[in-house]
Amino acid sequence: NAGVTQTPKFQVLKTGQSMTLQCAQDMNHNSMYWYRQDPGMGLRLIYYSASEGTTDKGEVPNGYNVSRLNKREFSLRLESAAPSQTSVYFCASSEGQDRYTEAFFGQGTRLTVV
Amino acid sequence: AQSVAQPEDQVNVAEGNPLTVKCTYSVSGNPYLFWYVQYPNRGLQFLLKYITGDNLVKGSYGFEAEFNKSQTSFHLKKPSALVSDSALYFCAVRDSRVIYNQGGKLIFGQGTELSVKP
Repeated sequence: NAGVTQTPKFQVLKTGQSMTLQCAQDMNHNSMYWYRQDPGMGLRLIYYSASEGTTDKGEVPNGYNVSRLNKREFSLRLESAAPSQTSVYFCASSEGQDRYTEAFFGQGTRLTVV
Repeated sequence: AQSVAQPEDQVNVAEGNPLTVKCTYSVSGNPYLFWYVQYPNRGLQFLLKYITGDNLVKGSYGFEAEFNKSQTSFHLKKPSALVSDSALYFCAVRDSRVIYNQGGKLIFGQGTELSVKP
């Protein structure tokens, strides 16, 4: 049981380049999330998808777009990367409709924008 | 808006001593509260949660947390710390007052680095 799988694990981009971070879960969860983790800032919510076909902005959505491709997959796109987007990105999923269920996290993507 | 605060960036304890990692929260409705642990270069792992009922919640690896509604706190505790408990700990909250089928945002605190010395 893989849980939540993120690809790639590491990435270096030049300023202005674009890329898509992939996330897939095999737990049949309804809700999926993208967070970024920066030192001293904890985890900040970028976007979330409460269920297939819906997405909503989190705390720090600027510079990002998301796609809930199907129930399993939730991708995060950086259209024009900036050094301020250097961070560790985590995807997570949870049952969703039962809001008291815990979220499960992927191993993270370490992104550096130079 | 919901929020979580972890007032200590770092907590240092000696092995065998009790530990406490503090968390306070703010939500409109009733809170659903969670603790996660992150080991270096790893994702977050779920430790325990409070939904309703008994204010003392027991979780993985001997950890427990006490919910205090009047103080809006959910402190993580362990009676006897181990060196292997050294990690980054996150408190998170979800507001129960959300529209059904919208999942509800899970908001995290900034994290507390726990260091347990032999």
